[in-house]
Amino acid sequence: QKEVEQNSGPLSVPEGAIASLNCTYSDRGSQSFFWYRQYSGKSPELIMFIYSNGDKEDGRFTAQLNKASQYVSLLIRDSQPSDSATYLCAVTINAGNMLTFGGGTRLMVKP
Amino acid sequence: DAGVIQSPRHEVTEMGQEVTLRCKPISGHNSLFWYRQTMMRGLELLIYFNNNVPIDDSGMPEDRFSAKMPNASFSTLKIQPSEPRDSAVYFCASSIRGTGANVLTFGAGSRLTVL
Repeated sequence: QKEVEQNSGPLSVPEGAIASLNCTYSDRGSQSFFWYRQYSGKSPELIMFIYSNGDKEDGRFTAQLNKASQYVSLLIRDSQPSDSATYLCAVTINAGNMLTFGGGTRLMVKP
Repeated sequence: DAGVIQSPRHEVTEMGQEVTLRCKPISGHNSLFWYRQTMMRGLELLIYFNNNVPIDDSGMPEDRFSAKMPNASFSTLKIQPSEPRDSAVYFCASSIRGTGANVLTFGAGSRLTVL
């Protein structure tokens, strides 16, 4: 079993809709959780991070964390074609400083 | 700040040749990470330095791979000899280790093709 699992997609949503991206992790000791966005041919860039159970909002983005279920999600409201990219979930492992990434979910927002 | 700087951006070499990838982290960042990305395996952590000291190299695939960080502003990842299966995009990332979340900033990557 991979340490961080994501559905590879593609997830296709119409412009203006809510995109919901999900991630599960195996290490119960994980403390910090990150969402990165990666455009084709580019490097990952941070969207947001969360380390407390519940929701964290930043503009059109909301991260949700449920440690009991070992589940992290990212909601993108009012999706735009420019949001089309691969979204990578990352988790600290072994209560340390290293990030393990999931395989990413490809999001396509159609005009 | 110029961000994390990697070179070369693209490298094409033949099997058996030595490859050296270079990274300059963001000034003031004390942690540096080397990742490899392929379609099949995604982003894999190869090695992690803290204050120029290698902390975890368990992701280094085999002895053909080596990494150094001689000072706070420079790191290298060397592959010798290179093989076609080493073809990938290699990313360097840096961060400030301290309290709170460890936010990584990635360089633009070095795309390696081994023929």
